[in-house]
Amino acid sequence: GESVGLHLPTLSVQEGDNSIINCAYSNSASDYFIWYKQESGKGPQFIIDIRSNMDKRQGQRVTVLLNKTVKHLSLQIAATQPGDSAVYFCAEIRYSGSARQLTFGSGTQLTVLP
Amino acid sequence: EPEVTQTPSHQVTQMGQEVILRCVPISNHLYFYWYRQILGQKVEFLVSFYNNEISEKSEIFDDQFSVERPDGSNFTLKIRSTKLEDSAMYFCASTIQGINTEAFFGQGTRLTVV
Repeated sequence: GESVGLHLPTLSVQEGDNSIINCAYSNSASDYFIWYKQESGKGPQFIIDIRSNMDKRQGQRVTVLLNKTVKHLSLQIAATQPGDSAVYFCAEIRYSGSARQLTFGSGTQLTVLP
Repeated sequence: EPEVTQTPSHQVTQMGQEVILRCVPISNHLYFYWYRQILGQKVEFLVSFYNNEISEKSEIFDDQFSVERPDGSNFTLKIRSTKLEDSAMYFCASTIQGINTEAFFGQGTRLTVV
């Protein structure tokens, strides 16, 4: 079935390096994508979003890239810090039946090494 | 910074009992949501609520579940006759407009059914 999924379940990076977290989606009708960060014991926290009429959006230390041709989404974190250690979820707004729902992927655990 | 608050943080209940999970969305937000996250799995949409009625719900949200906005600030999720498989983190979220805007999540309520 249609789904949002992640290529890798875990990612370890050295502090100060850049991180890239990838996500594949299969619903070409999805028009809004979001990256969330979830720290242990906490709720998802919005990081950055992108609409389907864009291919790149930048925030503070984060960049989201959207490749609609291959249905791929990535989150780049510059100069990764220990506080970036968390699970990162991509999510998409897509139709489920007639309703639009926020559908989460399965998450990537980012570990920042000292 | 405004935030979504949830109570209790942890609820333990016996199988077959009813539980009510409480949420206070951000005060000027108009759309409210409940999500569920079974341990180690992805976040799943349950229901969205707008203008005092359910606007969308997933297949998970069956007759066992109900939501209510009993006053101007609270938004509750009631689970009747709880089952072991209802054990999960339950997150409340709110958005100022519809689902295509940034969702703010609460810290979650961990429900344990024994």
